Amino acid sequence: GIQVEQSPPDLILQEGANSTLRCNFSDSVNNLQWFHQNPWGQLINLFYIPSGTKQNGRLSATTVATERYSLLYISSSQTTDSGVYFCAVSAGGTSYGKLTFGQGTILTVHP
Amino acid sequence: NAGVTQTPKFQVLKTGQSMTLQCAQDMNHEYMSWYRQDPGMGLRLIHYSVGAGITDQGEVPNGYNVSRSTTEDFPLRLLSAAPSQTSVYFCASRQYGIQYFGPGTRLTVT
Repeated sequence: GIQVEQSPPDLILQEGANSTLRCNFSDSVNNLQWFHQNPWGQLINLFYIPSGTKQNGRLSATTVATERYSLLYISSSQTTDSGVYFCAVSAGGTSYGKLTFGQGTILTVHP
Repeated sequence: NAGVTQTPKFQVLKTGQSMTLQCAQDMNHEYMSWYRQDPGMGLRLIHYSVGAGITDQGEVPNGYNVSRSTTEDFPLRLLSAAPSQTSVYFCASRQYGIQYFGPGTRLTVT
């Protein structure tokens, strides 16, 4: 099956810093999503981005499908950005294939 | 919309007991799925459904059963609980490729 690797595994920032999280995948994908799991365990969809670039406030994401990676940018980080960031992908004929998750990046933002 | 709801939030079972984790969504999504999350393992797919009456196995289906009699509901049944099934269970629904998760059920099997 498709392999998903996220880096770095852990990231510690001071409030206001910028960061880049990376997701590498081993095969062509037709679905790629970024999720944030907050300290209370809730998983929130940040981006559906199988290709191209999207922005939502301080967060933006870019997927270069031909090179099999995606990047999540967090600018001017806040303590509420802390948590685990997951990349999830699926391959196959439709965007409703099985999503495979990476191991996540644990982000800690200190005030 | 309530989104994806799960009950119970917490559950403790003894080895060998059976139980059903409930999942419902009010967004009329065809695709629903169950994941388990264990420390250091990320989220792993247990079972999924692409519509009422249609289910299929994911990555870790052993010890779990599902059925999908309506679009709204997708219960997960543990047939005979084992300590290895101690985990946090998430239900999700999906539309236009975008996945929405429920709040999770924390299950402990002693």
